[in-house]
Amino acid sequence: AQSVTQLGSHVSVSEGALVLLRCNYSSSVPPYLFWYVQYPNQGLQLLLKYTSAATLVKGINGFEAEFKKSETSFHLTKPSAHMSDAAEYFCAVSESGGNKLTFGTGTQLKVEL
Amino acid sequence: DVKVTQSSRYLVKRTGEKVFLECVQDMDHENMFWYRQDPGLGLRLIYFSYDVKMKEKGDIPEGYSVSREKKERFSLILESASTNQTSMYLCASLNTNGEKLFFGSGTQLSVL
Repeated sequence: AQSVTQLGSHVSVSEGALVLLRCNYSSSVPPYLFWYVQYPNQGLQLLLKYTSAATLVKGINGFEAEFKKSETSFHLTKPSAHMSDAAEYFCAVSESGGNKLTFGTGTQLKVEL
Repeated sequence: DVKVTQSSRYLVKRTGEKVFLECVQDMDHENMFWYRQDPGLGLRLIYFSYDVKMKEKGDIPEGYSVSREKKERFSLILESASTNQTSMYLCASLNTNGEKLFFGSGTQLSVL
């Protein structure tokens, strides 16, 4: 069975600071891993995905994530936060590509001046 | 760009009413999904469909049914709405290479 744990339901950073959102997964087969972002009053949008190619994945808006099998982690980072990054971020895992994703509970990112 | 359109942004219904939530996608995707989103619980899969007239239960199908009569349209049905079905409902479709979900803006349903 697949599952995802996102540590920290709320994260607050200063503008220009490093963003680190944590995600740990559980999967019985090599997983597909995703980060989605949800801006206020919108649906979710794909930020980036890991599909067994390079372990360091670059996504949109300067975000990246590193797949670490030994730690069963897929943390999301961005070197310098911008006010426009304020949103809710969801990590997701699938054992079958983009089908039947299991989502984490989400992390609300707040960016302060 | 792919567009996934949910017919209503906000809905208010009474307990016991039959409720239809409609979703239309414009990219000829085969796989479509219904999720509900609740604070602290993230997104949970209710039902999905991999072709016209085909459906499979997700993780929380109880109290819901779905209909997929045409490829572009996937409907979620609450046969008899209850207060614990008050939630944000998100529809999504999966692109052809199977690696990206496209979401609608959601329907906030309140059952009173």
